[in-house]
Amino acid sequence: QKEVEQNSGPLSVPEGAIASLNCTYSDRGSQSFFWYRQYSGKSPELIMSIYSNGDKEDGRFTAQLNKASQYVSLLIRDSQPSDSATYLCAVRRGGGADGLTFGKGTHLIIQP
Amino acid sequence: DAGITQSPRHKVTETGTPVTLRCHQTENHRYMYWYRQDPGHGLRLIHYSYGVKDTDKGEVSDGYSVSRSKTEDFLLTLESATSSQTSVYFCAAMDSTGHYEQYFGPGTRLTVT
Repeated sequence: QKEVEQNSGPLSVPEGAIASLNCTYSDRGSQSFFWYRQYSGKSPELIMSIYSNGDKEDGRFTAQLNKASQYVSLLIRDSQPSDSATYLCAVRRGGGADGLTFGKGTHLIIQP
Repeated sequence: DAGITQSPRHKVTETGTPVTLRCHQTENHRYMYWYRQDPGHGLRLIHYSYGVKDTDKGEVSDGYSVSRSKTEDFLLTLESATSSQTSVYFCAAMDSTGHYEQYFGPGTRLTVT
């Protein structure tokens, strides 16, 4: 049974601070890792993908992957009220047609 | 947004009736997926397709069937809707250029009474 675990929150962070979101996964064969942002009543929006150990930066977002610890994280720098959303961690085992296994999401609140 | 549309966007139906949800994409993606999202469960894979007429089951496929007769269209059918199938259904398509990134449609909110 593949599992992806996230703290459901809510995680409350002051505006301008760094928000840190964490995710662990159980399937050691997982090769691809994704972070989606989902606003209430909307569809998931891909914000980051990471495939190898280390950090990957894109604007205010940094994804971190540690396959040995089966751990993925997302850092959001200079948090803005518009970052308030639910963040979904998703993993994929391999190539081809494999679907994603999602965590239940972390609800992030940025306090002005 | 990968040019993905879903129809209908909202539907209310009665227990025991058949329901078909449609997903349409304009980017010629080979891979397409159906997920459902429920409170407390997150997003779960129902069925997926890896080409025209090529489909397979996901984690929660019981009570659902799919068809893909054209690259751009992926249909999800509830043969006889039950209240446990009340959910938000999302279609996704995957970029197959090597990054394997999935992009989601706007979703269909289905209520079975």
